[in-house]
Amino acid sequence: DTAVSQTPKYLVTQMGNDKSIKCEQNLGHDTMYWYKQDSKKFLKIMFSYNNKELIINETVPNRFSPKSPDKAHLNLHINSLELGDSAVYFCASSQFPSGYNEQFFGPGTRLTVL
Amino acid sequence: DQQVKQNSPSLSVQEGRISILNCDYTNSMFDYFLWYKKYPAEGPTFLISISSIKDKNEDGRFTVFLNKSAKHLSLHIVPSQPGDSAVYFCAASGNSGGSNYKLTFGKGTLLTVNP
Repeated sequence: DTAVSQTPKYLVTQMGNDKSIKCEQNLGHDTMYWYKQDSKKFLKIMFSYNNKELIINETVPNRFSPKSPDKAHLNLHINSLELGDSAVYFCASSQFPSGYNEQFFGPGTRLTVL
Repeated sequence: DQQVKQNSPSLSVQEGRISILNCDYTNSMFDYFLWYKKYPAEGPTFLISISSIKDKNEDGRFTVFLNKSAKHLSLHIVPSQPGDSAVYFCAASGNSGGSNYKLTFGKGTLLTVNP
């Protein structure tokens, strides 16, 4: 059983479209995260939710909106996609909302905006 | 503003030898450090961590050393195996900017272990 799963794995779309990426964890963790790995290979935190409450919101355009319907799910919706949004997006989860514990990552979603 | 730096984008090592991956950080508020390993088309997986109250942590073939005064840590893999070939990310956490929730990652070092 996959601990942290993301769908889709690949997403190719046109500029201006709206798209969503889904994430689910079956680890019973309280905290979930979205990271972006851009072309320079940096993994940067975008958002974090703890028990469905937003606790980290980095400087991310408001075209990006996370939604956490329950503790096990954290989806990422992106409006009006731009070329610069092309990246690999990773979902992760951890037991506690703290950088002092291990985070478990999903396999990533490669988004290509044409 | 790169607070966690991995200055070697790649490293090539012979099987059986030691691999040493380096990481430097600039934020003195960081007090917990982690190493993650990433294979292609997969997410990063946790490898080993170290708290700033220690200067060494060992787990099997993997040892992490922390030099707080130099703001430097290193991951040693002994002996290196071909299956260790992956990208290794250094990450740091601490009460930075009032929040200890997040990890700050370096760019990663691609390790290739040649048979």
